[in-house]
Amino acid sequence: GENVEQHPSTLSVQEGDSAVIKCTYSDSASNYFPWYKQELGKRPQLIIDIRSNVGEKKDQRIAVTLNKTAKHFSLHITETQPEDSAVYFCAARRNTGKLIFGQGTTLQVKP
Amino acid sequence: KAGVTQTPRYLIKTRGQQVTLSCSPISGHRSVSWYQQTPGQGLQFLFEYFSETQRNKGNFPGRFSGRQFSNSRSEMNVSTLELGDSALYLCASSQTPGTSPSYNEQFFGPGTRLTVL
Repeated sequence: GENVEQHPSTLSVQEGDSAVIKCTYSDSASNYFPWYKQELGKRPQLIIDIRSNVGEKKDQRIAVTLNKTAKHFSLHITETQPEDSAVYFCAARRNTGKLIFGQGTTLQVKP
Repeated sequence: KAGVTQTPRYLIKTRGQQVTLSCSPISGHRSVSWYQQTPGQGLQFLFEYFSETQRNKGNFPGRFSGRQFSNSRSEMNVSTLELGDSALYLCASSQTPGTSPSYNEQFFGPGTRLTVL
């Protein structure tokens, strides 16, 4: 069945450093890949998404890259700040299929 | 626009009981998805409803069911509760998934924290 693997499960960086989270999906028909940020005690919120006809998308300090051949996609956060500390989830879906989430990555940014 | 709302926010039940959770999507959104979130399992997909029809279903036992009303509001029901059903249940709404990039974004509600004793 569909599966999304996310790594690492925890990530600790110094403020100002970059953070990279990687995901691998199994369903080759997946064509939509969102990333959600969930702060402690709050609901998940979309921070960036990418569709399969695009290889990279950037929004200020956040970027996502997609390698359809390898079925990999990654989240890159540059110049990290303490407020970036949260749990990040990747997800994948095909057209009207179900949205499958990765296991989540707890990012800690140390001041 | 008001966001996705869920009621109740907290619930305590005992094993064997049943529970009904409610989700009101953002106005104009026709799709509602439900997820179970636990510390060890992350966000697990339960089911998705669109225009009162279940369009997708996750790998949960038949004790978990749901429905959607004509106003797009959705309910999920869990019968014969087990200790392992303790979790945060999140619903998310979106416009018309699959038809346009902008329609795919799912907006989450605050969740219902279910504790089974």
